[in-house]
Amino acid sequence: EDQVTQSPEALRLQEGESSSLNCSYTVSGLRGLFWYRQDPGKGPEFLFTLYSAGEEKEKERLKATLTKKESFLHITAPKPEDSATYLCAVQAEGSARQLTFGSGTQLTVLP
Amino acid sequence: KAGVTQTPRYLIKTRGQQVTLSCSPISGHRSVSWYQQTPGQGLQFLFEYFSETQRNKGNFPGRFSGRQFSNSRSEMNVSTLELGDSALYLCASSLAVRGNYGYTFGSGTRLTVV
Repeated sequence: EDQVTQSPEALRLQEGESSSLNCSYTVSGLRGLFWYRQDPGKGPEFLFTLYSAGEEKEKERLKATLTKKESFLHITAPKPEDSATYLCAVQAEGSARQLTFGSGTQLTVLP
Repeated sequence: KAGVTQTPRYLIKTRGQQVTLSCSPISGHRSVSWYQQTPGQGLQFLFEYFSETQRNKGNFPGRFSGRQFSNSRSEMNVSTLELGDSALYLCASSLAVRGNYGYTFGSGTRLTVV
């Protein structure tokens, strides 16, 4: 059974204070690992897809990395508008394309 | 480019009733999936449709069903509603082709069962 564990559950940062979110996963064969951002009352917003160990992707203040067992979402010099819940999900190889999500990290960036 | 559209945004239903939720995927996306999101269980997979066929189903009772039409629009139905069915129901669509399996989510339908 595919499993995704995210840590920490909640994180409070001062504006400009860089940090990382962790996503540990267990999957029979990884097709892709996805990062989403979710604001209250809205659907998840796609950030990144990572397909193989060693891959890195960046978007503004966010950088996602992938190893064979975990992924990190690095946030550099965050701003209050980066406050949201960040969700990690894995998609296994095979015909089924469902995503297995972690419980998320609720990030609060204080001005 | 229009995103994934879900209607209605909010619903209040009474226990025992049934409900139908609608999802219009991004133009050209052939795969539509549904997820249930609750504070206690997080995001859980309900089912996936591709070319009008259900490809996969999550661990939910038979009261939860869905379908996909020839234009890729999808509906999900929940019969005999229970209080525990109160949740945010999210629809996501994907091109579902090699190299592009990522999903784009809609804003969801907030269902409250009273």
